Amino acid sequence: SQTIHQWPATLVQPVGSPLSLECTVEGTSNPNLYWYRQAAGRGLQLLFYSVGIGQISSEVPQNLSASRPQDRQFILSSKKLLLSDSGFYLCAWTRDSSHEQYFGPGTRLTVT
Amino acid sequence: AQTVTQSQPEMSVQEAETVTLSCTYDTSESDYYLFWYKQPPSRQMILVIRQEAYKQQNATENRFSVNFQKAAKSFSLKISDSQLGDAAMYFCAFRGGSEKLVFGKGTKLTVNP
Repeated sequence: SQTIHQWPATLVQPVGSPLSLECTVEGTSNPNLYWYRQAAGRGLQLLFYSVGIGQISSEVPQNLSASRPQDRQFILSSKKLLLSDSGFYLCAWTRDSSHEQYFGPGTRLTVT
Repeated sequence: AQTVTQSQPEMSVQEAETVTLSCTYDTSESDYYLFWYKQPPSRQMILVIRQEAYKQQNATENRFSVNFQKAAKSFSLKISDSQLGDAAMYFCAFRGGSEKLVFGKGTKLTVNP
């Protein structure tokens, strides 16, 4: 069966510090991968998605970036965090043959 | 661009009763998929049910069922015999020809004992 992992689960970082969030999927190959952000009490905002290694599509221009160094690994990064980067970050995956997305447990990021 | 609208920011239901959450969407595509996701306080997003637009029969998963009205672009979720564990945020989502899901803003469901 397939599983999706995210770490860390929680993170508190000062403004201006770098960020690296990691997402990995097990039990499948060549998944489509997604990064979402959810502000408190709000809906999901798609940040990035990837259909293959090295292929990244950005949905929202901001100080975040994403990379996919391996088939089942998706990384969200920032060189300098802003207060507005605080939120709940969710990674998701899907297969080409399927259409629903499956989500990881999320990372709660607080920028102070 | 596709949009998904959930007009009920909050809903409440008594335990063991039935509740219906509303969702409408806007698209020019004819082939698409619709989903309901549940987000409990743990914030893990859980797929509840999916509906293929080409299927006329409404999807059902145990106590969860949908009322899919393609012409009206409506996709409501009915929860029967509500349980305390059903309390959560519920998100309606649309997927057309792209690889992306479009989500509504969610409905917070409270289940009263």
